[in-house]
Amino acid sequence: SAVISQKPSRDICQRGTSLTIQCQVDSQVTMMFWYRQQPGQSLTLIATANQGSEATYESGFVIDKFPISRPNLTFSTLTVSNMSPEDSSIYLCSVEWGQNTEAFFGQGTRLTVV
Amino acid sequence: AQSVSQHNHHVILSEAASLELGCNYSYGGTVNLFWYVQYPGQHLQLLLKYFSGDPLVKGIKGFEAEFIKSKFSFNLRKPSVQWSDTAEYFCAVIDTGGFKTIFGAGTRLFVKA
Repeated sequence: SAVISQKPSRDICQRGTSLTIQCQVDSQVTMMFWYRQQPGQSLTLIATANQGSEATYESGFVIDKFPISRPNLTFSTLTVSNMSPEDSSIYLCSVEWGQNTEAFFGQGTRLTVV
Repeated sequence: AQSVSQHNHHVILSEAASLELGCNYSYGGTVNLFWYVQYPGQHLQLLLKYFSGDPLVKGIKGFEAEFIKSKFSFNLRKPSVQWSDTAEYFCAVIDTGGFKTIFGAGTRLFVKA
């Protein structure tokens, strides 16, 4: 298991600005994932962030909008750029320790764009 | 592409009632299946998982799920719910050898005391 901490836990931002969300894991992990959970909807995978390689984005998500950093095996950031109200959502960081294993989640960042 | 369907978006039960939440997935290969739970104000956590072997798996807090391969289903059950089971439940799947977890839309369960 792991302890996954996300910062900030919530924020209210002006449209057109950017917010960087941090994800810290208490142990080294290869695979980290960023999800979005829009109101009333399920979790949608944004990208996979493995240390030592560029993030891999899912269909509908692009690096310019959601740049990701993965500087080491315990930390990652997701930036939501040029925000609009449609970006209001919960953003979740998760980790997995290998193939066929369950995911562990941070508590999420609740973002409201006004 | 893989997808996961959960049959009910909202379920309201009285305490001691039995629970069954439906989950179907679409994928032609071998999969690993999960149920996650998110209690109010808490983060997502694993409830139970199926990788192989006995298709009836038991998880925490008295929950169990049955994998029926022929029906592509992995329904969650609990014989007698408690008020503390009020939460949102997500069914999820990973294809064997894969890394990406695909989630269903979730089912919000409210248990009346």
